[in-house]
Amino acid sequence: TQLLEQSPQFLSIQEGENLTVYCNSSSVFSSLQWYRQEPGEGPVLLVTVVTGGEVKKLKRLTFQFGDARKDSSLHITAAQPGDTGLYLCAGRNRDDKIIFGKGTRLHILP
Amino acid sequence: DTAVSQTPKYLVTQMGNDKSIKCEQNLGHDTMYWYKQDSKKFLKIMFSYNNKELIINETVPNRFSPKSPDKAHLNLHINSLELGDSAVYFCASSQGTSRAYFGPGTRLTVT
Repeated sequence: TQLLEQSPQFLSIQEGENLTVYCNSSSVFSSLQWYRQEPGEGPVLLVTVVTGGEVKKLKRLTFQFGDARKDSSLHITAAQPGDTGLYLCAGRNRDDKIIFGKGTRLHILP
Repeated sequence: DTAVSQTPKYLVTQMGNDKSIKCEQNLGHDTMYWYKQDSKKFLKIMFSYNNKELIINETVPNRFSPKSPDKAHLNLHINSLELGDSAVYFCASSQGTSRAYFGPGTRLTVT
């Protein structure tokens, strides 16, 4: 069974700190997406990474796809309360199926 | 002006039928979504469509097929409806990392 493991499961930090969350698997993915879900709403697509080693930046968010395309990380610089939410990664495997991780619940304290 | 609209608002149909739900957004967003809300009010993502890339949640049966005639529309077609398909279906759109704007929902009841 293919799994996407996200860590940490929960993270609570002060505003202004930096953080990194991880998405790991033993399987290779042709692409990987990151979503953010705010309370009471559905997940919103943040980014898609396709190439091994690829790095994409969205303002204070930096996404990296592992060289072997088995893992990914999301780094947030100077976290703000608006970053609070559930961060989900989802990978497309060789069978063209999308597998979701269980998410990292992030809480930024003002 | 309605930002994200869905039709119909209510849909009652029998098992085995094929039905479609339409969604339109006038916000110029580049990503559209379909979600299913079950009886426990949990929103489950079904599809996201971004720059012509369709991302499908593997748990969604292939009886469900999204169709995007253009950037402003993402319709949901359902074949061979089953009782378990009864739920509220929400369409949404977003631009980049901004929040998603949701449609009013379509309450589907399969009898």
